[in-house]
Amino acid sequence: DGGITQSPKYLFRKEGQNVTLSCEQNLNHDAMYWYRQDPGQGLRLIYYSQIVNDFQKGDIAEGYSVSREKKESFPLTVTSAQKNPTAFYLCASSIRLGGNTEAFFGQGTRLTVV
Amino acid sequence: ELKVEQNPLFLSMQEGKNYTIYCNYSTTSDRLYWYRQDPGKSLESLFVLLSNGAVKQEGRLMASLDTKARLSTLHITAAVHDLSATYFCAVDPSGNFGNEKLTFGTGTRLTIIP
Repeated sequence: DGGITQSPKYLFRKEGQNVTLSCEQNLNHDAMYWYRQDPGQGLRLIYYSQIVNDFQKGDIAEGYSVSREKKESFPLTVTSAQKNPTAFYLCASSIRLGGNTEAFFGQGTRLTVV
Repeated sequence: ELKVEQNPLFLSMQEGKNYTIYCNYSTTSDRLYWYRQDPGKSLESLFVLLSNGAVKQEGRLMASLDTKARLSTLHITAAVHDLSATYFCAVDPSGNFGNEKLTFGTGTRLTIIP
């Protein structure tokens, strides 16, 4: 079955540690995205990538890093520079087919700083 | 800076009633998306609206888009408990297909009361 897989589902991080969230898709989509969601709020864009080996900062990129070495994979690293990393992280991918286009989301990773 | 505003933010309604959620956005865009999110879950795509005057319906939900007014509506008809969720609209102002740099509204938390 085609889809987007995020892992782990839950992640605990000690202060000062870097952690990496995984996002894999087998939909053959070119574009991939990372969003952050805080309780009771909408989604904010962290980073996005339109093509392999290229990515751009979103609205809240500080304290995060990404890589896009393969089309299928877009991992997000939450660095120690991110002062408030506790949140729900969602990965998405998208493609245009004919006149229609939409983004598909993974199941999310809930990150908690302990 | 693109702003996407939804109202109301919270909505409690009785089963069987009708109601409308509004999504206003601040810049030109002819593509708007509606998503549903259940608590602790990822986002589920509901509608993709790609042109002015677009109307789409699925079950008790109907979405429309007025690009001139920069307004989309999500209308709920004869609400049932299963529709309880948070609904997000999202706008892509880039105009570049395959680059869905979506900006999300803050969401409308809908609770259907028996």
